[in-house]
Order: sequence, then structure tokens, then C-alpha cells
Amino acid sequence: DTAVSQTPKYLVTQMGNDKSIKCEQNLGHDTMYWYKQDSKKFLKIMFSYNNKELIINETVPNRFSPKSPDKAHLNLHINSLELGDSAVYFCASSQGETDTQYFGPGTRLTVL
Amino acid sequence: AQSVTQPDIHITVSEGASLELRCNYSYGATPYLFWYVQSPGQGLQLLLKYFSGDTLVQGIKGFEAEFKRSQSSFNLRKPSVHWSDAAEYFCAVGDNDYKLSFGAGTTVTVRA
Repeated sequence: DTAVSQTPKYLVTQMGNDKSIKCEQNLGHDTMYWYKQDSKKFLKIMFSYNNKELIINETVPNRFSPKSPDKAHLNLHINSLELGDSAVYFCASSQGETDTQYFGPGTRLTVL
Repeated sequence: AQSVTQPDIHITVSEGASLELRCNYSYGATPYLFWYVQSPGQGLQLLLKYFSGDTLVQGIKGFEAEFKRSQSSFNLRKPSVHWSDAAEYFCAVGDNDYKLSFGAGTTVTVRA
């Protein structure tokens, strides 16, 4: 059973489009995260939700909007995609603020 | 704010040789420290973590790390590397508020 899953694994789209990435965890965790890994493999947190409430919102363009319909799901919607949005996006989850974060397999987004 | 430095961008090691990856952190309080591994095209897998207690931490795949408060370091070691250890290794520091800050990563190449 996959603990943290993301769909799609690959996403290729044109500039200006709107796209969504979905994340689901079956670990029973109450906190979920989105990270962005750039072309130099640097990982940076974007958002975090705890029990469906936004608790971390880093300096991210407002074209990015996370949505958490329930504790087990955290989706990322991106409007008006730009070339610079090309990256690998990772979802993660944890139980509590200091617990280990478990990562999904990533979604490679390519904007043409 | 916490931060992590991984001084070595790339390390090449012969199969069967020992490996040490350096990690230095900056954090005002007691840190929560992690090492993750990312194989090509894969997500991040937790190797080991330090929260408190014994400063020598054992992880999966034969890895261990030692927390040295006086040096603000959390170096990762493996006595004998296997070809399958070729990957990207990330050190991370967590705070009490859900945030995980990653180092830039160290790429490990294993030569036969």
C-alpha cells in the first residue's frame, strides 16, 4: 500500500494553462505539505495544512492555491502556468509538528 | 530561522569503500535532524532521524549518523557502500512548528 501518493507523476503543459496535482495519504496523519524541488534539486516548502487548516504559506505566487478537502487529501492548483513553474512537486505528510515527514513520489511538471 | 549546509555537492566513492556525508545546521534550540535519500526519479526516503537521546543514530540500509552539538553537525556514514547507494542525499532540520529546511543535497556516485 502506497503511503503517500500523487497524481499525475508527469505533467507537461503549455504556458498560461491551469493545472492541478492531487495528493493522498493513508497514514492517518493530520498534517500535509507541498514542496517544490527546482532544477538544482533544492527542496523548499510551499504550504502545509493541519486538519484542513492552512498553517504554512511560504512566499509563493498566489497563482498557487492549495486545497484540503479532508485530512487525507491535499491538492495543489496552479493558475496561469509559467516556465519557471517547471519543477518536481512533492507532497508529504506527518503526524504532529516535529514528527517525520513522509514523502510522495513527486510530480514532474514541465511547462512549455 | 533554521538552515542546513551540505558542503559537498558531489562525492565519488568506490564500491566497498566507506562514505561520509557532511551536514551542518543552524538552529537556536534543540534541533530535529533528518537524513533523506532520493534515488533517480524517485521520492524521498527517510534514512534516519535524531530527536533526542543517543547521539549516534542507526538507520536503514546500514547508515548511521552522529549528532555533535558542539560542532552543529549531523554527519552521515556508511562503512561499505554498495552500487545501489548511488543517489542524492539530503540533510534536513526541523523546528517545533512543522517546518523542515533542507540542505542543497550531496550527489553520491559509486564506481565499480
